[in-house]
Amino acid sequence: KAGVTQTPRYLIKTRGQQVTLSCSPISGHRSVSWYQQTPGQGLQFLFEYFSETQRNKGNFPGRFSGRQFSNSRSEMNVSTLELGDSALYLCASSSRTRGYGYTFGSGTRLTVV
Amino acid sequence: EDKVVQSPLSLVVHEGDTVTLNCSYEVTNFRSLLWYKQEKKAPTFLFMLTSSGIEKKSGRLSSILDKKELFSILNITATQTGDSAVYLCAVDTSLETSGSRLTFGEGTQLTVNP
Repeated sequence: KAGVTQTPRYLIKTRGQQVTLSCSPISGHRSVSWYQQTPGQGLQFLFEYFSETQRNKGNFPGRFSGRQFSNSRSEMNVSTLELGDSALYLCASSSRTRGYGYTFGSGTRLTVV
Repeated sequence: EDKVVQSPLSLVVHEGDTVTLNCSYEVTNFRSLLWYKQEKKAPTFLFMLTSSGIEKKSGRLSSILDKKELFSILNITATQTGDSAVYLCAVDTSLETSGSRLTFGEGTQLTVNP
């Protein structure tokens, strides 16, 4: 059974640019959530999507946005990149009918220069 | 504000030692507590705990939850160098009506020396 797939694995962007990251959940999982991991702040919740609807949002500025498609794949977008956005972005998929466990992808390492 | 605190933040031991990692929490809504191991990128799932006092075991790892005192411990016996990793504790604070959300602790960096 395929796991959670995140693309790309690495990205280098310049300040002011925007970036789109992709996450394909485990087949059958309808919930996809996104987390930002930095050395100083640890893992912080960005947002969660279920059936193409954002159900929950963390304390991040509006430059961080996301969406989910009908096949449950999700994208997150960060506009007007800042140096502080450099982080590992992880997505997790989960399923209510399968015990609520969360499975993480390998992440996208974003570096803003 | 929901809060999860792990201790110690860093631990260095020798192979064969037994370690205990701690996780305490203060959250508004508790669904479950999860432990993950993170070596390079993807946190890998270890345990999910929902009920107090029931120990979960997997090989040399075990974990237990105390919902009255709001904490959990993760034990690793006969440690090996392959156990070196960051161990993350997270609390699922999801509500049926508001969707999924994990609140993480800072993690414990475990280093096992040969």
